[in-house]
Amino acid sequence: SAVISQKPSRDICQRGTSLTIQCQVDSQVTMMFWYRQQPGQSLTLIATANQGSEATYESGFVIDKFPISRPNLTFSTLTVSNMSPEDSSIYLCSVVSPNLGYGYTFGSGTRLTVV
Amino acid sequence: GDSVTQMEGPVTLSEEAFLTINCTYTATGYPSLFWYVQYPGEGLQLLLKATKADDKGSNKGFEATYRKETTSFHLEKGSVQVSDSAVYFCALVSNFGNEKLTFGTGTRLTIIP
Repeated sequence: SAVISQKPSRDICQRGTSLTIQCQVDSQVTMMFWYRQQPGQSLTLIATANQGSEATYESGFVIDKFPISRPNLTFSTLTVSNMSPEDSSIYLCSVVSPNLGYGYTFGSGTRLTVV
Repeated sequence: GDSVTQMEGPVTLSEEAFLTINCTYTATGYPSLFWYVQYPGEGLQLLLKATKADDKGSNKGFEATYRKETTSFHLEKGSVQVSDSAVYFCALVSNFGNEKLTFGTGTRLTIIP
């Protein structure tokens, strides 16, 4: 299966600032997905990132708040902009792994705390 | 739209007890179904999957059978261990080209010695 390196693993940020999260995959993948997991909650899809096109955002998420880059088939970034304490969550990237027979591999997550 | 309804937790069991975590789904067509596990402080790991009706996914002693007639994918294990303590997520992906995972709310399982 694909291996995803996600960083940073955790960060504590001041409100009003921005944080960029990086995901590097060890193989080329068409689609990468960004999820948010709020404390004690399930995972919610933020957006789907395809190489060479703008990301597709889910309802409730907008590009100005969560800009995404996908410069090539192995890398993507998610920026959490103008942060507030409500943005404190775990952010995870994910890819479809053909070796998992249509399963999904997740990065280890970025635990963000906004103070 | 697609949805996953999962047994609410938390669930606390004694070691060697039998485990069932219920999961039912609503989806268009014939989705693929997954169970993911999140151990404390870690990311999500695929536990098992099933891609068509009557398939049984299994891994680490856990099993789940894709039941189309009841739209269910219940997770079972015959004898749980303390190391099984984690949060378990049921999820599906529609096979209509969207390829995004829809998750249940998660069930926190605690096994006591």
